[in-house]
Amino acid sequence: AQKVTQAQTEISVVEKEDVTLDCVYETRDTTYYLFWYKQPPSGELVFLIRRNSFDEQNEISGRYSWNFQKSTSSFNFTITASQVVDSAVYFCALSEAGYGQNFVFGPGTRLSVLP
Amino acid sequence: DVKVTQSSRYLVKRTGEKVFLECVQDMDHENMFWYRQDPGLGLRLIYFSYDVKMKEKGDIPEGYSVSREKKERFSLILESASTNQTSMYLCASSATGATNEKLFFGSGTQLSVL
Repeated sequence: AQKVTQAQTEISVVEKEDVTLDCVYETRDTTYYLFWYKQPPSGELVFLIRRNSFDEQNEISGRYSWNFQKSTSSFNFTITASQVVDSAVYFCALSEAGYGQNFVFGPGTRLSVLP
Repeated sequence: DVKVTQSSRYLVKRTGEKVFLECVQDMDHENMFWYRQDPGLGLRLIYFSYDVKMKEKGDIPEGYSVSREKKERFSLILESASTNQTSMYLCASSATGATNEKLFFGSGTQLSVL
């Protein structure tokens, strides 16, 4: 069965601090996809990244970076030099190949960046 | 700008009422989804549809039904609203492809059942 755990319910940081959001997943499939979404106060979830299970290369996009480690079933998300606009709820999600339309979401981590 | 549009941002209904939540996407996507979002539980899939007039139950379909008469529109129906259906409802769509495509989301409908 698929499962996504985000152990951090809420995180508060001061602007310019680095912050890492943890994501641990469970799946029996060897082929799967991992996602991160951002939900700002407006409510709409915004896609941040998709990673397939065969690509363990870490990715950096501006202040955002992702660390995918199959050995620990983790797909962690780091924001460098956080800004107030990063305040949002962040969701990690898993989708198994063959069940392409069934996403399992974690409970989310609420990040508050204080000025 | 591609969009998934949900008809209402906030909705207040009474117990026992029949409630319709509408969702329209302009991306010609085959797949559409209804999720429910509750604090601490993340997003849970209610129903999804991969084609017109097709529907599949998700993880929590009880108390809900759906309708997809046109490709761009996917409706969620609460036949007889109950207080435990007070929640944020999110519609999403995606394209069918060889790989698991990302979801595009609407802004959500916060439903309160009194």
